[in-house]
Amino acid sequence: SQTIHQWPATLVQPVGSPLSLECTVEGTSNPNLYWYRQAAGRGLQLLFYSVGIGQISSEVPQNLSASRPQDRQFILSSKKLLLSDSGFYLCVGTRFSYEQYFGPGTRLTVT
Amino acid sequence: SQQGEEDPQALSIQEGENATMNCSYKTSINNLQWYRQNSGRGLVHLILIRSNEREKHSGRLRVTLDTSKKSSSLLITASRAADTASYFCAVTDSWGKFQFGAGTQVVVTP
Repeated sequence: SQTIHQWPATLVQPVGSPLSLECTVEGTSNPNLYWYRQAAGRGLQLLFYSVGIGQISSEVPQNLSASRPQDRQFILSSKKLLLSDSGFYLCVGTRFSYEQYFGPGTRLTVT
Repeated sequence: SQQGEEDPQALSIQEGENATMNCSYKTSINNLQWYRQNSGRGLVHLILIRSNEREKHSGRLRVTLDTSKKSSSLLITASRAADTASYFCAVTDSWGKFQFGAGTQVVVTP
């Protein structure tokens, strides 16, 4: 079965600092991968999704970017964090239409 | 934008009552799933209903799907305080894209 690894679990960063969150997949190849963000008390907002290496779709205009340099690696980045970037970041992998795998998430606090 | 729109956004009920929440979506789907999230923790998968199914049960949960109206409902019967959580629907569309709805926050008071 597929396992999604995410790190770090928690992160505190100052405003204006860069960000790099990594998500790696174990146990399957060619998954669809997603980055979601959940602000405090809110729903899960789809940020990016990828159907393959180098293929990224952006759902929401923002100061974040994503890359998929390898089939099983999905990276979320920012050059300069904003306070509004605080939240819970979740990497999700899907395989076929009925299998979804969730990473443990990263709780980001921008101060 | 969110694929699934849920209503109500928040629901407050007493133990023993039933809780019903709805989810609407915009595109053709392969399946629809419901998840629970307790207070900022991870998501727990509750139930999956396929596009060719109309109703599904799991314990105290009942899910219906109306593809003509592009909507689904989740019913929790005989609610308990432990059911207090946020509930999200998520759809996988015909192209395989997976998206969550906005969620319904449910509070069950003893």
